[in-house]
Parts: sequence; structure tokens; C-alpha cells
Amino acid sequence: AQSVTQLDSQVPVFEEAPVELRCNYSSSVSVYLFWYVQYPNQGLQLLLKYLSGSTLVKGINGFEAEFNKSQTSFHLRKPSVHISDTAEYFCAVSETGGFKTIFGAGTRLFVKA
Amino acid sequence: DTEVTQTPKHLVMGMTNKKSLKCEQHMGHRAMYWYKQKAKKPPELMFVYSYEKLSINESVPSRFSPECPNSSLLNLHLHALQPEDSALYLCASSQDAQFYGYTFGSGTRLTVV
Repeated sequence: AQSVTQLDSQVPVFEEAPVELRCNYSSSVSVYLFWYVQYPNQGLQLLLKYLSGSTLVKGINGFEAEFNKSQTSFHLRKPSVHISDTAEYFCAVSETGGFKTIFGAGTRLFVKA
Repeated sequence: DTEVTQTPKHLVMGMTNKKSLKCEQHMGHRAMYWYKQKAKKPPELMFVYSYEKLSINESVPSRFSPECPNSSLLNLHLHALQPEDSALYLCASSQDAQFYGYTFGSGTRLTVV
């Protein structure tokens, strides 16, 4: 069975500052890893994904994430955040070839002016 | 067309009512999903359809009845719901495996009174 832990429930940060949202996972099989963003009253949008290959993955809106197999982590980073990045961010994991995705509890990113 | 369209966006229903939620995609995706999301929680998987056949039912109560009439449409029929079923219901689709991640609709906000 897989599980996902997002280590911070809320992350407040000032505009133009860098941010890191932390995610750790556990699984006994190989997995795909994802980050999704959810703006208020909307569905989730895929930010980026790790499938295989390069451990540094770039996504939309200037976000990137690094897969660390030894630490079973997949942290999300952005070098300079905007007010518009305020949203809920979900880390997710699925078994390769499977249909089932397990979501972390979410991290609320709050960008202050 | 790169969207998943859900209707209605909002629904208020009594505990004796019968209603349906609809989901449509025209991306050629062969897997479609229903998720339930309570406030400030991650999405929880309810059902998975693969090639128009139900492949996963996460022990969902029978008052929720999914239907996949064709590869582009997914319905969720609701009957005799309880107030605790009030939530955001999200539809998602993916290619026939998880390789590319999900495309989510914007959801139906359901309130049971």
C-alpha cells in the first residue's frame, strides 16, 4: 500500500520569496508522483509529474520538483512566488500502470503582499 | 478540447430526491473517475471506469450509482442521500493508464438538506 505525507498544512510566504512544499511517500512498488494545485471553488490542475528519468521535473507556472528516491521525497519548489499562487497544493502517488491515486492531505500556500 | 465538463456546478437536493451529476470529456481518454472532496480535505476516490467498464468501487454506499454510457460520458446517480454526503464531487479522466496524470473537472458542489 502507498501513502503520502505532506509535512506542512499551511505555508505563509511573502510575495517574491522562494517556497518549498514538502512531500514524502511510501510504497513497496515503483510509483508515479504528481503535484496538483486547487484554487478556491475549482477542480484540481496538474502542476507536474515524475515518471522516470531526470529527478528534477519542471512544471507549469514556474514550479519544479525534485524526486529523491533514497529519502522517498518529492518536494515542490518555486524561486519567486506571486499572490496568484495562493491555493491548496496536493502531492499524489500512484502505482505504475495502476488507476488508483493516493493524495496527501494538502498544503495551503498563502502568499502575502 | 482539453477539458472535463461537469454539470451542474451547484446542486441542492432533499434526502428523498433523485438527481444525477454529469461529466463529459472529448480528449479520447479511456479512464474516468469520480472523486468526493469534503472541505479542507484531499479528494477521495469513489469509482473508476476503464474502457466503459467499472473497474474500481471504493466500497461506496449504494445510494451513489455510477454509469458510463459511452467513452465520453460519466454520470453519478444520487438517491436517498444524507446530509453528510454534502461535498464537492469531482470528475476526472486520464489516458488508459496513469502515465499522464488526471484532468479534473471543476466539480459539482452538492448540498443535501
